[in-house]
Amino acid sequence: NAGVMQNPRHLVRRRGQEARLRCSPMKGHSHVYWYRQLPEEGLKFMVYLQKENIIDESGMPKERFSAEFPKEGPSILRIQQVVRGDSAAYFCASMVEGGSPLHFGNGTRLTVT
Amino acid sequence: QKEVEQDPGPLSVPEGAIVSLNCTYSNSAFQYFMWYRQYSRKGPELLMYTYSSGNKEDGRFTAQVDKSSKYISLFIRDSQPSDSATYLCAMREYGNQFYFGTGTSLTVIP
Repeated sequence: NAGVMQNPRHLVRRRGQEARLRCSPMKGHSHVYWYRQLPEEGLKFMVYLQKENIIDESGMPKERFSAEFPKEGPSILRIQQVVRGDSAAYFCASMVEGGSPLHFGNGTRLTVT
Repeated sequence: QKEVEQDPGPLSVPEGAIVSLNCTYSNSAFQYFMWYRQYSRKGPELLMYTYSSGNKEDGRFTAQVDKSSKYISLFIRDSQPSDSATYLCAMREYGNQFYFGTGTSLTVIP
């Protein structure tokens, strides 16, 4: 039973390029969360999605960042025109429904040069 | 005041010791409580999941929730070097956002 799959594991982008991070939730999970983590810091909530809907994007910067979870295929976190401050580990997590815990992927480590 | 407070440590114990990790919270509406273990450069791994107050045991791990004190604990018995990791507490109301502690770094010395 595959867990939450994130790819790529490592992503290097130059300033101004676009970063596209993918997340395939666990089988049967229709809720996806994205978090950002900096070294020695906690998880910072970015966005919560269900299939074809953004439920809560209060943690996501209004500019340059967007997320989607289409009916078919993985959830995508997109960062346009990346800056050095976007360098971090981005984690995706999924759950079955509202009362269940989150299950995390191993993250995508974004480095902006 | 933060929703969830967790002592960052670091905590260093000898192999075989009993480890106690704790979190306090401010929102009395939290009903679901979780503990995660995170190894370096990996994602958080769910260790324990409890609903409302009480104890839950799984092998060497015991989770306790005291809703009257707004306090949760994770105990690790017979700690092993492989338990060396960062431990995150998390909690939520039904259907709402998850709130995470900042994590406690644990090192178990052989």
